[in-house]
Amino acid sequence: GDSVTQMEGPVTLSEEAFLTINCTYTATGYPSLFWYVQYPGEGLQLLLKATKADDKGSNKGFEATYRKETTSFHLEKGSVQVSDSAVYFCALSDLQAGTALIFGKGTTLSVSS
Amino acid sequence: GAVVSQHPSRVICKSGTSVKIECRSLDFQATTMFWYRQFPKQSLMLMATSNEGSKATYEQGVEKDKFLINHASLTLSTLTVTSAHPEDSSFYICSARASGTFSYNEQFFGPGTRLTVL
Repeated sequence: GDSVTQMEGPVTLSEEAFLTINCTYTATGYPSLFWYVQYPGEGLQLLLKATKADDKGSNKGFEATYRKETTSFHLEKGSVQVSDSAVYFCALSDLQAGTALIFGKGTTLSVSS
Repeated sequence: GAVVSQHPSRVICKSGTSVKIECRSLDFQATTMFWYRQFPKQSLMLMATSNEGSKATYEQGVEKDKFLINHASLTLSTLTVTSAHPEDSSFYICSARASGTFSYNEQFFGPGTRLTVL
């Protein structure tokens, strides 16, 4: 079945460092791809999404490009802040079929000042 | 924007009791809602898909008699953990699927319910 694999954490960075969190997927159809963020003690928030190949999702300085050829959707940010410390989940879903999201295991990001 | 609420946000109960968790879509109709479970420092695992007016579809390994799901209206789904035990302690998260021009089939998440069974 469909699955998502993302890099193991935790990722520890200093403020203003460059962030990359790798995510690859396996899917039989043409899924939409998502990044969700979960701050301590809170629920999930959609960070960004891309619905087709070569789309770039972006929000709050984060970016990810849907790469069909490498089946990847890596999350990047040029300069992280302490407030970005959270758990990041890569996920996929078939929006057309309305299927449930399939999540990666999550990557914990810790940013220090 | 689309808002999904969950109630309660936190509940502590004794072993053997039942707990009901509500999931509501506040400003849109959701024919489908999903229930996830999240263990500490782990990912979200889909428990069941709840369709308005019909029986829920449970994922393999999830006991349907243990986790009762009811989706009686287009804005409300409930998850009842029956005869709860300490191993049921977890973070339960619902999501509601929007439809129509508003946001094509996108899912919106509730803030989660932390269940602790003593």
